[in-house]
Amino acid sequence: DAGVIQSPRHEVTEMGQEVTLRCKPISGHNSLFWYRQTMMRGLELLIYFNNNVPIDDSGMPEDRFSAKMPNASFSTLKIQPSEPRDSAVYFCASSPGDKTYEQYFGPGTRLTVT
Amino acid sequence: ELKVEQNPLFLSMQEGKNYTIYCNYSTTSDRLYWYRQDPGKSLESLFVLLSNGAVKQEGRLMASLDTKARLSTLHITAAVHDLSATYFCAVDRKKTSGSRLTFGEGTQLTVNP
Repeated sequence: DAGVIQSPRHEVTEMGQEVTLRCKPISGHNSLFWYRQTMMRGLELLIYFNNNVPIDDSGMPEDRFSAKMPNASFSTLKIQPSEPRDSAVYFCASSPGDKTYEQYFGPGTRLTVT
Repeated sequence: ELKVEQNPLFLSMQEGKNYTIYCNYSTTSDRLYWYRQDPGKSLESLFVLLSNGAVKQEGRLMASLDTKARLSTLHITAAVHDLSATYFCAVDRKKTSGSRLTFGEGTQLTVNP
């Protein structure tokens, strides 16, 4: 299996622009997670989906952030409009939903907002 | 609110030495995970600990879980340079279905020749 796939790997954009991050989970996994990692706040869970349905979005910082999972093999995290404080590494992870609930992380997208 | 604390946050050690990283958490949980992250890379799963008294070993690393003390340890035996990385513990908030991890701050380990 190719593992969790994220694109783009790097994104540099100007403040106010819309940013869309993409994730393809491991085939057969039924849970998907979006995390943000910064030096100041560490690793934070933004939102997670179970069987394509958003279960907990309490970590989404504000209305500028939105996430969708239209099918079992694709999810997006959108920031509109972007701000410099959104600069971070965004990780997507998926889990097979077995008793271990182990999460497998993608390579991440490094976002820089200038 | 679940809090997960690791110590130490920074650890510099000599090759061949032993050391332990500690992970304390604030609320009841039966699932704890250890991850490794190399600079600029993603998180790699090391251990999944699912019950009180669980012990897992892989190479020079051994992890254990004491749910009554709300404590997990990651023990390093005879450290080698390749173990240099940041190690995170993560605790699952829920005991029922689903998974919502809260991560510790991470322990940055440097193994010196």
